[in-house]
Amino acid sequence: SQTIHQWPATLVQPVGSPLSLECTVEGTSNPNLYWYRQAAGRGLQLLFYSVGIGQISSEVPQNLSASRPQDRQFILSSKKLLLSDSGFYLCAWYGDPEPYGYTFGSGTRLTVV
Amino acid sequence: DQQVKQNSPSLSVQEGRISILNCDYTNSMFDYFLWYKKYPAEGPTFLISISSIKDKNEDGRFTVFLNKSAKHLSLHIVPSQPGDSAVYFCAASSSGAGSYQLTFGKGTKLSVIP
Repeated sequence: SQTIHQWPATLVQPVGSPLSLECTVEGTSNPNLYWYRQAAGRGLQLLFYSVGIGQISSEVPQNLSASRPQDRQFILSSKKLLLSDSGFYLCAWYGDPEPYGYTFGSGTRLTVV
Repeated sequence: DQQVKQNSPSLSVQEGRISILNCDYTNSMFDYFLWYKKYPAEGPTFLISISSIKDKNEDGRFTVFLNKSAKHLSLHIVPSQPGDSAVYFCAASSSGAGSYQLTFGKGTKLSVIP
């Protein structure tokens, strides 16, 4: 069966520091991968998605970037964190289009101080 | 422009009663709809879905209704249980989107009171 791993679970980083969040998927090949952020009172905001190695689409212009160095690995990065980057970050993959939609990772709670 | 709207940020229901969570959408290209349930500090988990060719889908205590003409869907939970207390996200997709993107509402926090 397919599983998705995301780490770390929590992270406290100072303003201006770099960020790297990693997501890996097992049990599938060439998945569509997504990074979402849930900010306080803001719902789920799509940040990036990738349909293959090296292919990244950005939905929201911001301080973050994403990379997909391997088929089942998706990385979210920042060179210098801002206070507004705080939130709950979720990785997801889209396998079969029905009936399951996305499978989400367990999330990373990022607090920028 | 918010294409999927959940206008009630919160809902409180007594245990054993029915919970009704509502969702409206504006994009007529959406043809597949899902509900996700999210507990604090966890990723959302899939709950139930419905294709636009149907107007109702049931799974145990959960039923989703779709009214295409009104661009409205609702999730019914009967009977509600304390373990149903969570944030519920409505999501929609278009089969023509290519990248299989889901557009989410802002969520409704359901509290089931024992």
